Amino acid sequence: GENVEQHPSTLSVQEGDSAVIKCTYSDSASNYFPWYKQELGKGPQLIIDIRSNVGEKKDQRIAVTLNKTAKHFSLHITETQPEDSAVYFCAAQGGGSEKLVFGKGMKLTVNP
Amino acid sequence: EAGVAQSPRYKIIEKRQSVAFWCNPISGHATLYWYQQILGQGPKLLIQFQNNGVVDDSQLPKDRFSAERLKGVDSTLKIQPAKLEDSAVYLCASSLTGPNTIYFGEGSWLTVV
Repeated sequence: GENVEQHPSTLSVQEGDSAVIKCTYSDSASNYFPWYKQELGKGPQLIIDIRSNVGEKKDQRIAVTLNKTAKHFSLHITETQPEDSAVYFCAAQGGGSEKLVFGKGMKLTVNP
Repeated sequence: EAGVAQSPRYKIIEKRQSVAFWCNPISGHATLYWYQQILGQGPKLLIQFQNNGVVDDSQLPKDRFSAERLKGVDSTLKIQPAKLEDSAVYLCASSLTGPNTIYFGEGSWLTVV
């Protein structure tokens, strides 16, 4: 089955810096890659997603890139703000299954 | 549009007791998921329903966990008897049919002591 690896597990940046989170997946048939933000005490909230027919997608300060050949995808956050502090999860779906397989998450801390 | 509703939000029980969690998905969403999230880890799928039928329950510990979605809308997840390692957040999620965006509820936090 699908296996998603996510790194780093923690990241601390200064407000205004950029943050990058990287994920790899194992199943070449996976075709949908969402990113979720989870704040303390809340459920995961979708922030951006990308499908396998697209290499890059951007939404304001957030962008996601996908390299199908290498089977990895990344989340880029620019001009970070304290409210970006949260745990970020990558996930992969596809290969005939609607099941989302999640990475272990990365705790981002943005220091004012 | 209302989101995925879950209750109770928090529950503390002793080991070997039972507990049940309820979920009401987003209106019109045929697919419903229960995920288990242990502290410090990503969510892990327990069971997926398509309307009232089970699509995937391969990671559900069937000796103690059960779930149902009798009328294809609300769902309940039951644990009996609970073990210490069941302490986790139980997340319900829903989506339209097919590979679509999956929306999560706020979760039900379970502590087994």
